[in-house]
Amino acid sequence: NAGVMQNPRHLVRRRGQEARLRCSPMKGHSHVYWYRQLPEEGLKFMVYLQKENIIDESGMPKERFSAEFPKEGPSILRIQQVVRGDSAAYFCASSLTAVSPTGELFFGEGSRLTVL
Amino acid sequence: DAKTTQPNSMESNEEEPVHLPCNHSTISGTDYIHWYRQLPSQGPEYVIHGLTSNVNNRMASLAIAEDRKSSTLILHRATLRDAAVYYCILRGTTDKLIFGTGTRLQVFP
Repeated sequence: NAGVMQNPRHLVRRRGQEARLRCSPMKGHSHVYWYRQLPEEGLKFMVYLQKENIIDESGMPKERFSAEFPKEGPSILRIQQVVRGDSAAYFCASSLTAVSPTGELFFGEGSRLTVL
Repeated sequence: DAKTTQPNSMESNEEEPVHLPCNHSTISGTDYIHWYRQLPSQGPEYVIHGLTSNVNNRMASLAIAEDRKSSTLILHRATLRDAAVYYCILRGTTDKLIFGTGTRLQVFP
């Protein structure tokens, strides 16, 4: 059973370009979370999605960032007009259960975005 | 979600037990205590969780104080592969995990 798959693992963009990060959850999981980790810092929650729905986007920056989790295919985190401050590792996690304080999150290896 | 407090860093020698403390004095009655760890250049991985009773699994043990205001993650025999940042997280009715800064564990041969 494959784990959470993220791609690309490394992405380099110039300022003003767009970055698209993809996340395929574990088989059977329909809940996806995105986190951002700046260098030498902890993980910051960005958004929680279920299939075709954004459940909690309280951690998403108001501009330039968007996320989706379509009925078919991976979840996508999209960053438009990237700036140097967007350089970070972006982690995706998936879970089997909804709204459970006991459920385990399974994380991917992350996508490392570098903005030149 | 209630806040947790952990030491910034700890050190251990290989083969020795490690006790990683976590304070959570504002924990509510429905909060579960979760531990995750993040190895270098990897995503976090689940370690263990508990509510009131001590818990054991193949990775570690979790000792929870009687008043639940603190807990300790116990690695019974540290290995070099246990060097990581360990996060203590309280998880209540909200579905998202809120990570703090964690404890960076160094293991020396």
